[in-house]
Amino acid sequence: AQTVTQSQPEMSVQEAETVTLSCTYDTSESDYYLFWYKQPPSRQMILVIRQEAYKQQNATENRFSVNFQKAAKSFSLKISDSQLGDAAMYFCAYSLFGNEKLTFGTGTRLTIIP
Amino acid sequence: NAGVMQNPRHLVRRRGQEARLRCSPMKGHSHVYWYRQLPEEGLKFMVYLQKENIIDESGMPKERFSAEFPKEGPSILRIQQVVRGDSAAYFCASSLAPGQGSGGYGYTFGSGTRLTVV
Repeated sequence: AQTVTQSQPEMSVQEAETVTLSCTYDTSESDYYLFWYKQPPSRQMILVIRQEAYKQQNATENRFSVNFQKAAKSFSLKISDSQLGDAAMYFCAYSLFGNEKLTFGTGTRLTIIP
Repeated sequence: NAGVMQNPRHLVRRRGQEARLRCSPMKGHSHVYWYRQLPEEGLKFMVYLQKENIIDESGMPKERFSAEFPKEGPSILRIQQVVRGDSAAYFCASSLAPGQGSGGYGYTFGSGTRLTVV
């Protein structure tokens, strides 16, 4: 069974600084997708970024980028120029195919310090 | 184009009552997924349905829980004889059929229903 581990329950960062959230996963498959979701207090699950396992190039979306290390089964999220609106729970997730069920980690609560 | 609509947003039930949670998928989406989020935890998969068919219910508790996605109307997650441990946020997501669309970008969540059992 696939598992996703987020070892940082809470993180904080000064506004405008950079922060990295960690995620590791366990799978015996070679083709899969990895995701980072943001959950603000509104509870809405918002997709931040997605990585296909067959792509070696790390995904980037504006201030958000990932460091995908397939051999190490590591998938960290880097947020640059942190903004107050980035404060939220962040969940790492895995799926075997892009549109099938997701396996989530337990989340990291990110606080932005003004 | 409306997103995934879940209602009610909040639901309070007494122990032993039934809870019905509704989910209308995005227009054009034919697959629905239900997840449960216990306090301070990540989302846990419950069931995956397409219209009139359950594809994967490996995450559903064996008793008291059922789900359907009829040909017409929303998907329903039904919890019979609720207990305090059922208190959680229940999320629905929808997608195009697997293999179509753009993978995770085609997977859209609703805002969830928070169930409180008193």
